[in-house]
Amino acid sequence: QVQLVESGGGVVQPGRSLRLSCAASGFTFNTYGMHWVRQAPGKGLEWVAFISYEGKNKYYLDSVKGRFTISRDNSKNALYLQMSSLRPDDTAMYYCAKGGWLHIPDYWGQGALVTVSS
Amino acid sequence: QTVVTQEPALSVSPGGTVTLTCGLSSGSVSTSSYPAWYQKSPGQPPRTLIYTTNSRSSGVPDRFSGSILGNKAALTITGAQAEDESDYYCALYMGNGICVFGGGTKLTVL
Repeated sequence: QVQLVESGGGVVQPGRSLRLSCAASGFTFNTYGMHWVRQAPGKGLEWVAFISYEGKNKYYLDSVKGRFTISRDNSKNALYLQMSSLRPDDTAMYYCAKGGWLHIPDYWGQGALVTVSS
Repeated sequence: QTVVTQEPALSVSPGGTVTLTCGLSSGSVSTSSYPAWYQKSPGQPPRTLIYTTNSRSSGVPDRFSGSILGNKAALTITGAQAEDESDYYCALYMGNGICVFGGGTKLTVL
């Protein structure tokens, strides 16, 4: 069955960087686009970034453009989110999600908590 | 900027029927927005209920159904159960893998 396991979350000071990873299994990773979606404390779900199956096309939420980079390593079945210049309002649970029909998120990981605080 | 609208909160009696809606601040939601619905409970990852307007995800009970009602997407729960008390989010597809989530509806079953 599809499994997505995030790692790399933690507490980081404003302005610093952090990299999240997502290990995928149970499906043919290199044929699906992948997403990062976040949920800040007490807030709703917010789409963050998408990467196409081969890694060529990447799209971002406006507020993270230029600060976050989504990437993937199909040889390792892994998805990444490099986050830099982190701000307190980036504090959230970050979920990786598999893109399904028309890339709509269908399967979700358990999430990685990122806290940006001094 | 695209804003997806949902009712902030709704309630339903056990065994009753409730419809949650998903609209656009400007414009109409149609099948070409490929609306999806997710259930989000505290401490749990989102669970995909419905995709492409009315396709039920594997394992989702048939009391959950999706449709277009007027100019909005809709999620209807027929015969609500206590375990359906949760937050529900819709998402609309904007092309190129980009999707926008609504603000969520907190559903109370009482």
